[in-house]
Amino acid sequence: EDQVTQSPEALRLQEGESSSLNCSYTVSGLRGLFWYRQDPGKGPEFLFTLYSAGEEKEKERLKATLTKKESFLHITAPKPEDSATYLCAADSWGKLQFGAGTQVVVTP
Amino acid sequence: SAVISQKPSRDICQRGTSLTIQCQVDSQVTMMFWYRQQPGQSLTLIATANQGSEATYESGFVIDKFPISRPNLTFSTLTVSNMSPEDSSIYLCSARDRVNTEAFFGQGTRLTVV
Repeated sequence: EDQVTQSPEALRLQEGESSSLNCSYTVSGLRGLFWYRQDPGKGPEFLFTLYSAGEEKEKERLKATLTKKESFLHITAPKPEDSATYLCAADSWGKLQFGAGTQVVVTP
Repeated sequence: SAVISQKPSRDICQRGTSLTIQCQVDSQVTMMFWYRQQPGQSLTLIATANQGSEATYESGFVIDKFPISRPNLTFSTLTVSNMSPEDSSIYLCSARDRVNTEAFFGQGTRLTVV
């Protein structure tokens, strides 16, 4: 059965304290691994798509990496505005299956 | 990137009634989807909206409860029928041009059934 699992469920960071979020997946017919940011009361905001193991993408303080079984979202020197829920999703034949998300809170 | 507009952004409805949610994309897209996000939970795919034909529903979702229309490549509607409090959720529209491209989301419709 296809499954996407994110850890930890919640993460509290001091400003400047780097950390990583994990997304493990078992999905047949994987076409890509997506990362989104979701702020309260809003729809998911697209961050990255990774298509093959070894691929890396960066955007400001965020860096996403992909292996054959998992993806990591690294947050380097986070700021309070990075506080959000981060969702990963596996693309299986065009449909996205989402993990439960990691809620990140960055305090000054 | 596609810009997706949903209407209404929120609504409070009486149980037993129906609500139709509209999704408008600012460009033609091949694929449109409807998701549900229950309070404190992640997104669950309801169905794929197919242009000119019946939607494809995921396990646990049926057409009688969630009828979907997609008359063209930029517009879709989702109706939540005969609502109960358990239908209180955020409903999200998503669009992508094709597989191996980004998938974008609308801001969501927050539905409360009383």
